[in-house]
Amino acid sequence: GQQVMQIPQYQHVQEGEDFTTYCNSSTTLSNIQWYKQRPGGHPVFLIQLVKSGEVKKQKRLTFQFGEAKKNSSLHITATQTTDVGTYFCAGGRNKLVFGAGTILRVKS
Amino acid sequence: DAGVIQSPRHEVTEMGQEVTLRCKPISGHDYLFWYRQTMMRGLELLIYFNNNVPIDDSGMPEDRFSAKMPNASFSTLKIQPSEPRDSAVYFCASSPGQGINYERYFGPGTRLTVT
Repeated sequence: GQQVMQIPQYQHVQEGEDFTTYCNSSTTLSNIQWYKQRPGGHPVFLIQLVKSGEVKKQKRLTFQFGEAKKNSSLHITATQTTDVGTYFCAGGRNKLVFGAGTILRVKS
Repeated sequence: DAGVIQSPRHEVTEMGQEVTLRCKPISGHDYLFWYRQTMMRGLELLIYFNNNVPIDDSGMPEDRFSAKMPNASFSTLKIQPSEPRDSAVYFCASSPGQGINYERYFGPGTRLTVT
């Protein structure tokens, strides 16, 4: 079935360092969504990308959708302790499938 | 808006007991989704409803699981009998549309522990 692979599974960074998580699919995606789940919380929608090569920014977060619409990335510049959590991508063609998530820990 | 409401927030039960999880979607959202989250399997879609009608239940693990949506503002997920491997966080989510272009609004989840 349709799968969305996400890497890395886990990343531990020093506060102030950058962080990137990647989302890959073997098939072309119609769109990609990104969610953040704080520890003990629930997934919260961050953004959606639809167009090939699209780049969107939210303060220190930069989201990209690949030209072939098969991959996406989320980059956080100068991480802060408030960025801690699990970041999920979700995409598909007919059905929204969630990736396994990347757990981000930030050392202060 | 209160967002998606789930109850209970925590449930601890013994193997073999019946468990019922409850969800109230955001008013006006026509789609309701039940997800299960575990460390091993991540976030899995169990079933979703459109206008109270179950559309896709292919993610329901087995006959012990059942879900209903008697009206637009209420849904239940029932496990009978429960087993330790059912221990997980169960999320309800709602959306104004099913399509992949619609974001999911998740509830706070029910953490289920089956001993």
